[in-house]
Order: sequence, then structure tokens, then C-alpha cells
Amino acid sequence: NAGVMQNPRHLVRRRGQEARLRCSPMKGHSHVYWYRQLPEEGLKFMVYLQKENIIDESGMPKERFSAEFPKEGPSILRIQQVVRGDSAAYFCASSPGVQGGLLETQYFGPGTRLLVL
Amino acid sequence: LAKTTQPISMDSYEGQEVNITCSHNNIATNDYITWYQQFPSQGPRFIIQGYKTKVTNEVASLFIPADRKSSTLSLPRVSLSDTAVYYCLVGDKGAGNKLTFGGGTRVLVKP
Repeated sequence: NAGVMQNPRHLVRRRGQEARLRCSPMKGHSHVYWYRQLPEEGLKFMVYLQKENIIDESGMPKERFSAEFPKEGPSILRIQQVVRGDSAAYFCASSPGVQGGLLETQYFGPGTRLLVL
Repeated sequence: LAKTTQPISMDSYEGQEVNITCSHNNIATNDYITWYQQFPSQGPRFIIQGYKTKVTNEVASLFIPADRKSSTLSLPRVSLSDTAVYYCLVGDKGAGNKLTFGGGTRVLVKP
């Protein structure tokens, strides 16, 4: 059973270009989360999605950032008109979406390292 | 969400036990305590989760006192490969299942 997959692993963009980051959750997982990590810092929550639904986007910047998790295919985090401050590692995680009181274990992918020149 | 405080870094030697204490004075009744481990250039990995008293798995133990205002992650007999950043997280499912990471504790295991 493959883990969470992210591609590309490394992405270089010039200021003003678009960045598209892809995440394929673990098999059987219907919940996807995106986090951003700046150097020497902890991860910051961005968005939580289920298939075709955004559940919580409270951590997403109001402009230029968007996320989707279509019925078919991977989840996409899209950053338009990138700026140097967008340079970071972007991690995707997935969970099965089982009901219950415990916080679900989230399984993280290897991340995409975005560098904006 | 309850704020957590943990040491910035800790050094240890191979074969020793490492104990990392996390303070969470404002923990709520429904909150669980979860620890993740992150190696350089990798995503975090779940280690252990607990609500009270003691939890043990094949990787670590988690000690939670009765007042739940702190917790201690215990790594027995560490090896060089345990060098990583360890994050203490506190929250409940009502928070929408999102994880709130602090700065973590950077553990360096020396030979």
C-alpha cells in the first residue's frame, strides 16, 4: 500500500509564475490536508479537504492560493503569481476519515520544496 | 487551541533514554496529546497519542500526569537514526482535525 505521494518533489518558479503541487492520498483515504513549512519552523496548517469539498481553509492566504480535491485524481494546491515569500516546503497529509473522538492520525507525504527566484 | 511549550533542542548519546517534556497548561477536556517525529527533508510521522496516564507502543511511551498540563515523550535506548525534530500537539476532533505544530524539539543523538 503506497503512502502519500507528492509531486514534484522540487519545483523552481520565477516570480509571477504559477505553481501547481499535486498530492495523491493513501489508498482508502478520503481526507487531505495541506501544510506549509518555512525553514527552521514547524508546519502551518493551510487547508483541509474531502472529495469535492473544502472543509476548512482557515490557514490559506486569501489571495493567490487555492486548493481542490476532485472526485477523480489527486489533490492540487495552486499558487498563482508566486512571490519569493512563497518559497517553502509544502506537505500534504491524508487520513481515512473514520468517525470517533480521537484525532485521526495523519499520514504525511515527502513534501514539495518550492523555490521562487 | 491549547498552546504547547517544549525545549528547543536536546542532545543525547546512543543507547540512552530521551525524555521530552511538553507543557500545555490550557489543555481542554476533549483534547488529546499527540507526538510526531520529523526527519530532515521528510514529512512528519505519527509516533504516539494519549489522553491520560501512560501509553506505550513499539516506538515510545507517553506519560501524562493526572492534571494533564504536561506530557513526557520517552524514547528508550535511542540510536543515531532517532535524530529528528519531535513535535507535541494538543487538540480534538472538534478543531476540524487540523494539526497545530509548534517549534518542536530538535533531538541530536551522538555516537
